[in-house]
Amino acid sequence: DTAVSQTPKYLVTQMGNDKSIKCEQNLGHDTMYWYKQDSKKFLKIMFSYNNKELIINETVPNRFSPKSPDKAHLNLHINSLELGDSAVYFCASSQRGTGAYEQYFGPGTRLTVT
Amino acid sequence: RKEVEQDPGPFNVPEGATVAFNCTYSNSASQSFFWYRQDCRKEPKLLMSVYSSGNEDGRFTAQLNRASQYISLLIRDSKLSDSATYLCVVNDPPGTGGGNKLTFGTGTQLKVEL
Repeated sequence: DTAVSQTPKYLVTQMGNDKSIKCEQNLGHDTMYWYKQDSKKFLKIMFSYNNKELIINETVPNRFSPKSPDKAHLNLHINSLELGDSAVYFCASSQRGTGAYEQYFGPGTRLTVT
Repeated sequence: RKEVEQDPGPFNVPEGATVAFNCTYSNSASQSFFWYRQDCRKEPKLLMSVYSSGNEDGRFTAQLNRASQYISLLIRDSKLSDSATYLCVVNDPPGTGGGNKLTFGTGTQLKVEL
């Protein structure tokens, strides 16, 4: 069974459009994350939610808006897409309080903005 | 200075070789340390946690030197299936919001050849 799933897997869209990426985890974790991996393969955290509450908000343009309807879901909405938004977006989850802080990643959403 | 620095490689080694990767981190208050593995066009997955006393998991040995802010990964008897990018990961202390933030290095690419 898939632990962390994301949809869509691929997303090709034009500049200026608005798009959403969905993420769901069935691990019972209380914390979820969005990461961006750019063309140079650098993986950087964007947001983190714990029990639907935003706890990490890195320097990300406000065109990016995460939404967590419940602790098993964390969606990412992007307004007015720009060429520089092209990247792979990974969702991840973890259970706060466990010593290893292992984060489980989804398969990624490859976003291409043309 | 980058928060987590790694030699990007690639390291091209013959099957059966021993290979070592190094990583340095800048935040002396960092609390936990990990090696993640990322296969081409896949999500990162936890390989192992890294402890001050050093730890071993089969052919993999990880070491942490807090005084030097240095982490290492040793792979013995490398296999073709070890070919991947190895990400050095540091868990920073929780911020005011209590977030569990992982900071990733850019990764070291390993290619094991026949």
